[in-house]
Order: sequence, then structure tokens, then C-alpha cells
Amino acid sequence: KAGVTQTPRYLIKTRGQQVTLSCSPISGHRSVSWYQQTPGQGLQFLFEYFSETQRNKGNFPGRFSGRQFSNSRSEMNVSTLELGDSALYLCASTLRSGQGNTIYFGEGSWLTVV
Amino acid sequence: AQSVTQPDIHITVSEGASLELRCNYSYGATPYLFWYVQSPGQGLQLLLKYFSGDTLVQGIKGFEAEFKRSQSSFNLRKPSVHWSDAAEYFCAVGDNNDMRFGAGTRLTVKP
Repeated sequence: KAGVTQTPRYLIKTRGQQVTLSCSPISGHRSVSWYQQTPGQGLQFLFEYFSETQRNKGNFPGRFSGRQFSNSRSEMNVSTLELGDSALYLCASTLRSGQGNTIYFGEGSWLTVV
Repeated sequence: AQSVTQPDIHITVSEGASLELRCNYSYGATPYLFWYVQSPGQGLQLLLKYFSGDTLVQGIKGFEAEFKRSQSSFNLRKPSVHWSDAAEYFCAVGDNNDMRFGAGTRLTVKP
């Protein structure tokens, strides 16, 4: 079974631009969440989607947005990029079970803002 | 509010030596507990998880962790470290609605 797939793996953007990152969850997983990872702040939760609806949202400005499609694939968008948005963006899909949920991560998308 | 503390930012061990990475949590009920490993430039890989039952959990790559409710801890152990274990390790605690990650412990393995 394929893992969580994120594209692109690496990208460089200029301040003020916007970026869209894509994530395909593990087949059968309907929940997708996004995290930002930086050396200074560690892993920070951005948002979670389940059945095309945002279920949870972290403490990030409105420039960060996401959506989920009917096939569970998800995209996140960051508008008006700032230098501080340079980070590894991790997508994770969740296996939900009666006993407990398990999160599986993709390889991440490295975003550099210059 | 739930939180996770990994007291050690960086640990260095010799190859073949035993390893214990500490994780303490704060949570109102019995949490779900996880350990993940991240190699440089990669995503996080699940090592093991605890939901209920036996408090000693076996994971991949020879790792195990023990849930100690009285100490609010979920320490990760490995009897003999290999050079390929050098990575960053994250403890996580959560329930079905929220997951919190520790700041991570970076493991260096000396030859």
C-alpha cells in the first residue's frame, strides 16, 4: 500500500508570492492533516480535514488555508509568502479505528522563501 | 491542556550501547502515545504506539517503549544502538481529536 505522497518535494518562492502544496493520503484514509516544521518552533499543527470538511485548525494566520477533495486528496495554500514561512510542510493521513487513531506522515515539502 | 516534554534536546551514545529517550506528558485521561523518528530531510516514521493494554510496547527497528502512568512517562528504549539510528525522535500524545508533539530529541551515534 502506497504511503502518504506529497508534491512538490522542494520549491523556492519569492516573498509576496503564493504557493500550493499537494498531498495524497494512504488509500482508505479519509482524514488529512498538515503540519509546519521549523528548527525554532518544531512541529506545529496547521489544520485537519475529514470528508472535505475542516475539523480542526491550529494557530496560524488566514494566509494559510487548505481544502480536501472527494477522493481525500488535500491541498494547502499559503498566500503572500513571508520569509518566516520557510519550513518543511508535512502532510499526514490518519487511520481511524475504534481503538484509536494513528497518524502517518509523508516525506514533506521543503519550502524556501527568498 | 495536554502537553509533551522531551527533556533531552540532544543525546550522544556509542554504537552498540543501550539507549533510553525520555518522554513525559500531561493529559487528563489515559492518552494515546506515540514515538516517531525523523531522518534528515525526511518525514516522520511511526516507531510504535500505545493505546491500551500491555504497557510495554514493541515497535519497529528493535525499539520498545514503556507506559508508566504513575510517572506520566513513555520512554523509548533500544538495547543496542546502530549507526543508522542517528536521527531525531519525537514523542507524541493525543486522543482522537488532537495530537501534540514534543520538541524532539536528536540522537547522535558515535562509532
